[in-house]
Amino acid sequence: NAGVTQTPKFRVLKTGQSMTLLCAQDMNHEYMYWYRQDPGMGLRLIHYSVGEGTTAKGEVPDGYNVSRLKKQNFLLGLESAAPSQTSVYFCASSSNLAGTYNEQFFGPGTRLTVL
Amino acid sequence: QQQVKQSPQSLIVQKGGISIINCAYENTAFDYFPWYQQFPGKGPALLIAIRPDVSEKKEGRFTISFNKSAKQFSLHIMDSQPGDSATYFCAASKQTGRRALTFGSGTRLQVQP
Repeated sequence: NAGVTQTPKFRVLKTGQSMTLLCAQDMNHEYMYWYRQDPGMGLRLIHYSVGEGTTAKGEVPDGYNVSRLKKQNFLLGLESAAPSQTSVYFCASSSNLAGTYNEQFFGPGTRLTVL
Repeated sequence: QQQVKQSPQSLIVQKGGISIINCAYENTAFDYFPWYQQFPGKGPALLIAIRPDVSEKKEGRFTISFNKSAKQFSLHIMDSQPGDSATYFCAASKQTGRRALTFGSGTRLQVQP
């Protein structure tokens, strides 16, 4: 099992450029999440999905869009990157099975710099 | 609004000592309280978690203490080792709905040999 994988690992963008971050999980998890991590602020929820074809906004959704066309994949898009979106992005997944107590499994992260 | 407050921001402990990290939460609907460990360049990994129906949970050298009335919980690392040097995040969530984690700001632990 690869667990949760993210591509790319690093990316540098210029202001106004667009890109898509890909998250894939092989654990058949229903729930998937995108967080961003900034120094001194912990991880903050951008968007999440409770199942294939569903997405919803988290605490900091502005400037991002997501899609979950397949259960195993969760894509995060930046349509017009801004320097404020410089961050490390983490994808996570979790099962909805009773008794799993919401353990979330995280990917290795994508370090994004917007110039 | 920061719903989970974590302290200290950084911590230096001697090998063999006890590391203590504290968190306080505001939302009484939270019913799951995990601690995550993160090494540089890696994603967070679940270390230990507790539900509010117990006051303490121990796994090896790691213990969570939970005080429901005070809305506080803490992580104790006994016999701290240099390999424990990492950033630790407390978090909280509800077991229903979106089940997303609300994280504390993190504590950078350095265990000196």
